[in-house]
Formats: sequence, structure tokens, C-alpha cells
Amino acid sequence: QSVLTQPPSVSAAPGQKVAISCSGSSSNIGRSAVSWYQQLPGTAPKRLIYDNTQRPSGIPDRFSASKSGTSATLGITGLQSGDEADYYCAAWDTSLSGIVFGTGTKVT
Amino acid sequence: EVQLVESGGGSVQPGGSLRLSCAASGFTFSNYEMTWVRQAPGKGLEWVVYISSSGSTKYYAESVRGRFTISRDNAKNSLALQLDSLRGEDTAVYYCARRLELDVWGKGTTVTVSS
Repeated sequence: QSVLTQPPSVSAAPGQKVAISCSGSSSNIGRSAVSWYQQLPGTAPKRLIYDNTQRPSGIPDRFSASKSGTSATLGITGLQSGDEADYYCAAWDTSLSGIVFGTGTKVT
Repeated sequence: EVQLVESGGGSVQPGGSLRLSCAASGFTFSNYEMTWVRQAPGKGLEWVVYISSSGSTKYYAESVRGRFTISRDNAKNSLALQLDSLRGEDTAVYYCARRLELDVWGKGTTVTVSS
């Protein structure tokens, strides 16, 4: 089961921006780095953000992230039709000794 | 090109077994920890198991502990997941991914548990 809480969906017009929240606890986000993943329909997830705020090479700077306490946020600016996907946050949970994922957010 | 390719999925009855494989290429497999993640139909991502680069450390999700076994063969650049005592709720696409950061994912292999 998912331990990190995300809104089920967010939507905006092309060119606009959205923010996706990810709420956890002191045993996961509060202690560990947060990663974000994008899953386009019918495909495997792809890493968008690691170490709370870092973008891998090839990920456009329209994608950004932040973390504060036990919460994290993914922001997408200049929204494009190709950004329609499910987005998941994740972090290591020290109590569970495992990775916990967010509930997922569909961006339309 | 860094690549992970899963195989071994299929349909099995409850209580049955399957062995999933993940073939790695394009990087020094023995230097990297590996992870399995699954996704039930229409559901979110669920972490299943982690194995260290040497294979000496393994962490399992509570939902699969005692039923699934992870292993690796660094000489063959391969990762395996033995699935025993399968249940309907194990039906999912199973992905192998590199590192705890999940920086590289395979395309997944589908496991269906049904009578």
C-alpha cells in the first residue's frame, strides 16, 4: 500500500503550470531523499527528479521539485500535451526498510 | 546503451510459482544494487524487493516476504525473482530497476494469477 499521499489528479491548460504535492512522514520524506517518476500511458516509469531537486540529463527544466520537512512538491511549467501522464513520488522509509511510493497523480 | 529486459512472466494458478529474470546490459552490473517494483492493473507502483550489489543484503516488502526470493548472478549480468505461493493480489506488471534511486527501468513482464 502507498504511504505517501498525492492528489489523485491535477489539470491545467497547455502552457500553464501545475504543482503536485507529496505528503509523507518523519520516517520517509523527513529522513530520505525524494524522487519523482513520470509514467506515460502504457509505458514503464521514468525518473524525473532525484535527490529532492536534481534533474537527470535530458529532463527539461520545465520540471522542478522541492522538499520541506515531510512534504515534497513537483512543479511543471509550460504544460504540454506530452506531459499527460501519471506522476509518482518515492522515498526510502527507515521504519519499513523499503521504498514507499506516492498514491500517484494523473496530470491532464 | 543502458538496458534492462525482464522476462518470465505468464499466467499461473493460485499457489503456483514463477521465476522472473532481468537481463542487464550497457553498464557494470556488479557495481549496482537492484530493485523490483510491481504495478497491479489500474493501480499505482509498489516496491517489492531490493538487493545490494554483492547480493549480501536483501530487503523485502511485507506483502511478499517469505514467498518471493531475489537473487543475482553478477557473472551473467542477471537478476532473478522467484515467486512462490502466488496469490491473486500478486497479479501485476513486474519491473526491474537499477539502484534505490530507480534511475533505469525495464519495460516490465506481466504476471497473472488466476484460477
